Amino acid sequence: DTAVSQTPKYLVTQMGNDKSIKCEQNLGHDTMYWYKQDSKKFLKIMFSYNNKELIINETVPNRFSPKSPDKAHLNLHINSLELGDSAVYFCASSQYRSGEQFFGPGTRLTVL
Amino acid sequence: AQSVTQLDSQVPVFEEAPVELRCNYSSSVSVYLFWYVQYPNQGLQLLLKYLSGSTLVKGINGFEAEFNKSQTSFHLRKPSVHISDTAEYFCAVTPRGADGLTFGKGTHLIIQP
Repeated sequence: DTAVSQTPKYLVTQMGNDKSIKCEQNLGHDTMYWYKQDSKKFLKIMFSYNNKELIINETVPNRFSPKSPDKAHLNLHINSLELGDSAVYFCASSQYRSGEQFFGPGTRLTVL
Repeated sequence: AQSVTQLDSQVPVFEEAPVELRCNYSSSVSVYLFWYVQYPNQGLQLLLKYLSGSTLVKGINGFEAEFNKSQTSFHLRKPSVHISDTAEYFCAVTPRGADGLTFGKGTHLIIQP
C-alpha cells in the first residue's frame, strides 16, 4: 500500500492553463504539506495543513490555492500557469509537530 | 528562522570507501534534524532523524549521523558505500514544536567503481 500518493505523476500543459494535483495519505496523519523542488533540486515548503486548517503559507503567488477536503487529502490548484511554475511538487504528511514527514513520489509539472 | 548549509554540492567516492556528507544548520531555538535521500526520479525517503537523546543516530542502509550542538552540525557517514548509494542527499531541520522542514541544497553522492 502506498503511504502518500500523488496524481498525476507527470503533467505537461500550456502557459495560462489551470491545473490541479491531488494528494492522499493513508497513514492516519493529521498534517499535510506541499513542497516545490526547482530545477536545481532545491526544496522549499509552500503550504501546511493541520486538520484541514491552513498552518503554513509561505510566500507563494496567490495563483496557488491548496484545498484540504479532509485530513487524508490535500490538493493543489494552480491558476494561470507560468513557465516558472515548472518544477516537481511533493506532497508530504506527518503527525503535527512530530518532525518526521513522509513524502509522496512527486508530480513533475512542465509548463510550455 | 533557521537555515541549513550543505557544504558540498557533489561528492565523488570510490565504491567500498567511507563517505561523510556535511551539514551545518543555524537556528535560534532547539531543532529536530533529518537526512533524506532522493534516488533519481523518485520521492524523498527518510534515512535517519535526530529528535533527542543519543547524539549518534543510526539509520537505514548502513548510514549514521552525529548531532553536534556546539558546532551546529549533523554530518552523515557511511563506512563503505555501494553503487546503489548514488543519489541526492538532503539535510533538513525543523524547530521543535513547529512545523515544516527547511532543507539544504542537497549533496549529490557519486559512487565510482
